[in-house]
Amino acid sequence: EVQLVQSGGGWVQPGGSLRLSCTVSGLTFSNYWMTWVRQSPGRGLEFLANINQDGSEKNFVDSVKGRFTVSRDNIKNSLYLQLNSLRAEDTAVYYCANYPQWYFWGQGSLVTVSS
Amino acid sequence: DVVMTQSPLSLPVTLGQPASISCRSSQSLVYSDGNTYLNWFQQRPGQSPRRLIFKLSNRDSGVPDRFSGSGSGSDFTLKISRVEAEDVGVYYCMQGTHWPNTFGQGTKLEIK
Repeated sequence: EVQLVQSGGGWVQPGGSLRLSCTVSGLTFSNYWMTWVRQSPGRGLEFLANINQDGSEKNFVDSVKGRFTVSRDNIKNSLYLQLNSLRAEDTAVYYCANYPQWYFWGQGSLVTVSS
Repeated sequence: DVVMTQSPLSLPVTLGQPASISCRSSQSLVYSDGNTYLNWFQQRPGQSPRRLIFKLSNRDSGVPDRFSGSGSGSDFTLKISRVEAEDVGVYYCMQGTHWPNTFGQGTKLEIK
């Protein structure tokens, strides 16, 4: 059974940082592009970034470029999203998924940015 | 970015009756390889999205055959032939043809 288990969400003040993790089991992680997407009541589902199999190619949408970084560790079968310079509008549930299939999803990590 | 517009946003349906959700894109979703990268997702309350349909009309494994996807170019439809109680949730279309992938606003299906 394929599982994507996320961790690392929580509450952070504006301007703060947080790192999200997504640990994958049940498939050969190093064979897959991966992606991060977020969901909020105001912005719906929003694609954020993707990363190729060996981490050498990363792409970000403009709204998070320069503030968020994505990385992976194929030994640990893990995907990461580093969120910096957080703003109130970054408050959302963040999901990892395989890309471009969007078939396997994590359970979501709630990030709340508030003073 | 390609804008995906769904209608209706709220869909009350009687059990056993059909349901239809429309999704329109601001650009054609036909890719240079001839495929249309249009997916449909179901998100049940408290759960992550689940892919139902990929590449316009291909049903995922385990998805009941009462779900079907159709359309062309920039006009797409998800149909449920007979709604069951387990179909309650929010349905999203998503385009994978253009960068960045974009989602519709979601259609909330509820039982009347």
